[in-house]
Amino acid sequence: EPEVTQTPSHQVTQMGQEVILRCVPISNHLYFYWYRQILGQKVEFLVSFYNNEISEKSEIFDDQFSVERPDGSNFTLKIRSTKLEDSAMYFCASSLSGDRNQPQHFGDGTRLSIL
Amino acid sequence: SQQGEEDPQALSIQEGENATMNCSYKTSINNLQWYRQNSGRGLVHLILIRSNEREKHSGRLRVTLDTSKKSSSLLITASRAADTASYFCATGGNNRLAFGKGNQVVVIP
Repeated sequence: EPEVTQTPSHQVTQMGQEVILRCVPISNHLYFYWYRQILGQKVEFLVSFYNNEISEKSEIFDDQFSVERPDGSNFTLKIRSTKLEDSAMYFCASSLSGDRNQPQHFGDGTRLSIL
Repeated sequence: SQQGEEDPQALSIQEGENATMNCSYKTSINNLQWYRQNSGRGLVHLILIRSNEREKHSGRLRVTLDTSKKSSSLLITASRAADTASYFCATGGNNRLAFGKGNQVVVIP
């Protein structure tokens, strides 16, 4: 069964550094998403992406964050000038369409640790 | 914004027993979804129930939806050790999903 893959599985970064989290969505999916889960808290929506542009973003997704689809397969989340509170699991997801009744398929996440 | 909230938070059962968990939400919805998360893994979509549906089955899973009470329940019948996981309900619009805090279910062999 096709899967969403994320790399790396664990990323350790010094505070203030930039980090790029990578995702390969399911190949025929058109909508892509990033979520994060701070330890012990809910999974929170960050951003959705379609047709090479952001379609929706949350209040968490400020100027520190950016997303990109640099080629036909990768979908990346960049966090500039990381802060301690950015430490979390970051999940990428994709869906076949933007139909609200289409499930989103998640990767296994990248654990980001900011020191 | 739409938001799922599960209840109870943690459940420990013997293998073979049924596990039931509940979720409530605050605003009108188009659908409600349940996801499972095994330790250290991503979220796996289990089942989606639309707002005009009252009950849905998928294998050993049974989901109910009561839009008048803004609540849903997930029943896992004849539980197995492999069902040990966290279970989340999620509501959402076209793009974003809003997840609850999750139920931790432990199935004891």
